[in-house]
Amino acid sequence: SYELTQPPSVSVSPGQTARITCSGDALPKQYAYWYQQKPGQAPVLVIYKDSERPSGIPERFSGSSSGTTVTLTISGVQAEDEADYYCQSADSSGTYLVFGGGTKLTVL
Amino acid sequence: QVQLQESGPGLVKPSQTLSLTCTVSGGSISSGSYYWSWIRQPAGKGLEWIGRIYTSGSTNYNPSLKSRVTISVDTSKNQFSLKLSSVTAADTAVYYCARAGYSSRAFDYWGQGTLVTVSS
Repeated sequence: SYELTQPPSVSVSPGQTARITCSGDALPKQYAYWYQQKPGQAPVLVIYKDSERPSGIPERFSGSSSGTTVTLTISGVQAEDEADYYCQSADSSGTYLVFGGGTKLTVL
Repeated sequence: QVQLQESGPGLVKPSQTLSLTCTVSGGSISSGSYYWSWIRQPAGKGLEWIGRIYTSGSTNYNPSLKSRVTISVDTSKNQFSLKLSSVTAADTAVYYCARAGYSSRAFDYWGQGTLVTVSS
């Protein structure tokens, strides 16, 4: 079955830049999406179609894609950005959706 | 403002069938521009996509769950439902319903989630 691979954890100090990667063989063919999830809450979409930002999401959130890896970048990290982040995409046929294992972002 | 709300038993016995319903408000489930998914999350673990249904009734299921899952839609009630058969303790999780647009293909609206525990 198709898998997306994320690092389990990323730590940054406030004001620094956090980069969270997601790797998958079908990513050159399928868009990636990023969700932020805080404890006890439902996930919130922060990036769609690799690099598009939904309305209401701060400009410090951005996304990029290169080959089989997509990256979520949070510039000028704030304490409120501490959360779990999940990438999501589809298999090469687009039929089956999949989530990465999630990355816990810690703001030191 | 679209809202999704999961409902159903919070406790299911092993080997029985888990049944949940997602009620959509603030928009029509049959608008044709969206598909509707179920996603689950065991405590302390990541998100797992269960499956989706289009307003046409067409479905796609996670291959790992396909033999046990049925997702259906009731446009008259603006609801869609999940049935997961032969449950075990491994199916204990928070279950979310979510909406994705045909264009964006992003899950833009989620329910708050409902905890289902499988235990005798």
